[in-house]
Amino acid sequence: RKEVEQDPGPFNVPEGATVAFNCTYSNSASQSFFWYRQDCRKEPKLLMSVYSSGNEDGRFTAQLNRASQYISLLIRDSKLSDSATYLCVVNMNTGGFKTIFGAGTRLFVKA
Amino acid sequence: DGGITQSPKYLFRKEGQNVTLSCEQNLNHDAMYWYRQDPGQGLRLIYYSQIVNDFQKGDIAEGYSVSREKKESFPLTVTSAQKNPTAFYLCASSIRGPRNTEAFFGQGTRLTVV
Repeated sequence: RKEVEQDPGPFNVPEGATVAFNCTYSNSASQSFFWYRQDCRKEPKLLMSVYSSGNEDGRFTAQLNRASQYISLLIRDSKLSDSATYLCVVNMNTGGFKTIFGAGTRLFVKA
Repeated sequence: DGGITQSPKYLFRKEGQNVTLSCEQNLNHDAMYWYRQDPGQGLRLIYYSQIVNDFQKGDIAEGYSVSREKKESFPLTVTSAQKNPTAFYLCASSIRGPRNTEAFFGQGTRLTVV
């Protein structure tokens, strides 16, 4: 089983739609969580951190459920510019500290 | 400006040759990572290092080697033993330790075997 698993993609949605990405992690020693965005042929960049209480940044909402070892990202009112790959990222301490990326979910927003 | 720099941006290699990809950071980060990304795929961890003179294999270490002689530098060598090296290689760094810290990426190196 992979340490971090994401929904398979791609997601194809119309402008204005609400879309949700899910991610599960296998190691309960995981300590911090992030969503990254990667545009085509570019490096990943931090979109937002994920906090236990949930957090919102404009049209983006991230949630964490430690009991179920699950995080999510909700995008409301999708824009064409949201088209990208969204990566779930987990920092874990397993006798050493490391960062694990999910495989990513590709989003296409169409006019 | 602090950041992480990869070079070269594009690299062409003949079959049977070893090549070394450079990664340098001036963020004073302890942890550094190398990932490989194939077209339409996610990131796969090759090697990571949490401290100078120490590194661990990731999920796809075969055919690759690394060194961590300095905190700032984590070069990746793609050896002739790597059967399918054409890919996008990303280096990242982060603060080591159980803190809510993000990873910072270089702009990547596109390696093509010709």
